[in-house]
Amino acid sequence: DIQMTQSPSILSASVGDRVTITCRASKSISDWLAWYQQKPGKAPNLLIFKASVLERGVPSRFSGSGFGTEFTLTISSLQPDDFATYYCQQYDDFFPAFGQGTKVDLK
Amino acid sequence: QVQLVQSGPEVKKPGSSVQVSCKPSGGTFSRSAISWVRQAPGQGLEWIGGIIPFLNQADYVQNFQGRVIISADESTATFLLTLSSLRSEDTAVYYCVRGGGGKRVDFFDSWGQGTLVTVSS
Repeated sequence: DIQMTQSPSILSASVGDRVTITCRASKSISDWLAWYQQKPGKAPNLLIFKASVLERGVPSRFSGSGFGTEFTLTISSLQPDDFATYYCQQYDDFFPAFGQGTKVDLK
Repeated sequence: QVQLVQSGPEVKKPGSSVQVSCKPSGGTFSRSAISWVRQAPGQGLEWIGGIIPFLNQADYVQNFQGRVIISADESTATFLLTLSSLRSEDTAVYYCVRGGGGKRVDFFDSWGQGTLVTVSS
């Protein structure tokens, strides 16, 4: 099974900051990677799929990049609504798997 | 976008079984790729298994083999998750999710509201 590792686990930032979250796969997954945002008490929400394709309705300050084993989610200018937990997910392997999550909180 | 409506919270005793339902609105039922993902309190997301009714086959992650059944009832257009031999570690929110590309192994573009299953004696 493919393991997904996110870093950092917690990221403290201020409104307006550029924020980058990294996700590493234990073996190559091509670009079969998605990113989700989850707020407390809510279901996750798809942000990006195929490593860099923005889901409809997601603000353009979110972007994704990477291929193979290393991927990044970038928020170009952090907004108050962006404080949340972010998960990556691979869908290359027979069993989809998520990273452990990165919580973005207020510095 | 497809909406997924799940059944309500459940409280179960250890050793018993629970069934959670998920009803999509919109989309073609038989070709919908539905998976179940769970999230224990304060923890991350864990894929349990998935099904595409058209293919009449469900797949499960190793951890749940033998304890879980994912099924699709075409007469009611409802997906079902049945988990047996419950233990306290099964306490979690269970989400049904839809494969965005129509495949079982996929990203998930629609999520149900979640069903809290509490296992307690």
